[in-house]
Amino acid sequence: SAVISQKPSRDICQRGTSLTIQCQVDSQVTMMFWYRQQPGQSLTLIATANQGSEATYESGFVIDKFPISRPNLTFSTLTVSNMSPEDSSIYLCSVASSGGQALEQYFGPGTRLTVT
Amino acid sequence: AQSVTQLGSHVSVSEGALVLLRCNYSSSVPPYLFWYVQYPNQGLQLLLKYTTGATLVKGINGFEAEFKKSETSFHLTKPSAHMSDAAEYFCAVSDQGYGQNFVFGPGTRLSVLP
Repeated sequence: SAVISQKPSRDICQRGTSLTIQCQVDSQVTMMFWYRQQPGQSLTLIATANQGSEATYESGFVIDKFPISRPNLTFSTLTVSNMSPEDSSIYLCSVASSGGQALEQYFGPGTRLTVT
Repeated sequence: AQSVTQLGSHVSVSEGALVLLRCNYSSSVPPYLFWYVQYPNQGLQLLLKYTTGATLVKGINGFEAEFKKSETSFHLTKPSAHMSDAAEYFCAVSDQGYGQNFVFGPGTRLSVLP
């Protein structure tokens, strides 16, 4: 399994500002994912981030709002841009197990974002 | 397209009682199925998974789940609930197993009463 850390663990931000969330993995992984979990709800995939290529965004999510970087095989960032209160959520990164067929995802502890 | 439904957004059981959390899925190809648990203020932890082979899978903390293709179900059970089992439980389906196309159910909050 992979050990994943996220920074910050939580933040309170003002509307109109941006926040960059970092995700660090203790091993090299090919596929990383960013999810949003709105209050009391399930997880929604924002995008898939593969090293060396542009992130692939799911329907309803755009790069201008959620730019993603993936500079190497152990690190990724998600920026929430021009925030509004509707962006208040938990943001989680996850990785697919590497080496052959990836059969599961491992999750970071999440970043709890409140936008005022 | 895949989908997951979890019957019951909130389930309460007494300590020592049977835990049964229901999950039904829809998938056009043989699915890979997962149960994750989320404790308060934490990320998701994998409880167990079904990919191929034995349809009854055992996971951590005494949980197990049975894949029933005919019923398109993957219900999670534990014979005896413990107070520490109180958490949010998510069922997920993947049609490729490559970490992509993970679809999560809406979640079931489990409360354990003393």
